[in-house]
Amino acid sequence: DTAVSQTPKYLVTQMGNDKSIKCEQNLGHDTMYWYKQDSKKFLKIMFSYNNKELIINETVPNRFSPKSPDKAHLNLHINSLELGDSAVYFCASSQVAVGELFFGEGSRLTVL
Amino acid sequence: QQQVKQSPQSLIVQKGGISIINCAYENTAFDYFPWYQQFPGKGPALLIAIRPDVSEKKEGRFTISFNKSAKQFSLHIMDSQPGDSATYFCAASIRSTGNQFYFGTGTSLTVIP
Repeated sequence: DTAVSQTPKYLVTQMGNDKSIKCEQNLGHDTMYWYKQDSKKFLKIMFSYNNKELIINETVPNRFSPKSPDKAHLNLHINSLELGDSAVYFCASSQVAVGELFFGEGSRLTVL
Repeated sequence: QQQVKQSPQSLIVQKGGISIINCAYENTAFDYFPWYQQFPGKGPALLIAIRPDVSEKKEGRFTISFNKSAKQFSLHIMDSQPGDSATYFCAASIRSTGNQFYFGTGTSLTVIP
């Protein structure tokens, strides 16, 4: 049973389109995250939700909108996709004060 | 600014050799220092972690050395194997404040048979 699962794994789309990536964790964690990994492998935090409330919102274009319907799910919606949005997006989860961060397998977004 | 600085960017080691990756941080409030291993096409996975009240932690061939006064920590991989070829990330976090993790820039390790 996958601890942090995200879909889709691959996403190829045209500039200007809107797309969503979904994430679910079955670890009972209270905090979920979205990270962006660029072609140089750098992991950049985008958002963090704790018990459905946004607690970290790094400098990310407002075309990116996270939504957490419950503490086991964190979705990422991206409007008006641009070439520079091409990257691998990782969902992750953790339990505050415990420490370990669990990552999903990633969603590779390619914008043409 | 980069909260955690990692070096080298890439590393090539012969099979059986020792791989060493270094990280440095500034924020003395950090209280959890994990290392993550990422294989191509996969998400990063926790390899080993240390808290600042100990100077060393060993798990199998992997050891973290931690120097609190110098604000540095390093990963040592003994008897490196081709299967260890991956990207390694150090990180730091403050566990009590929403668990924001700050990652290093990654080290691509290649172990040559």
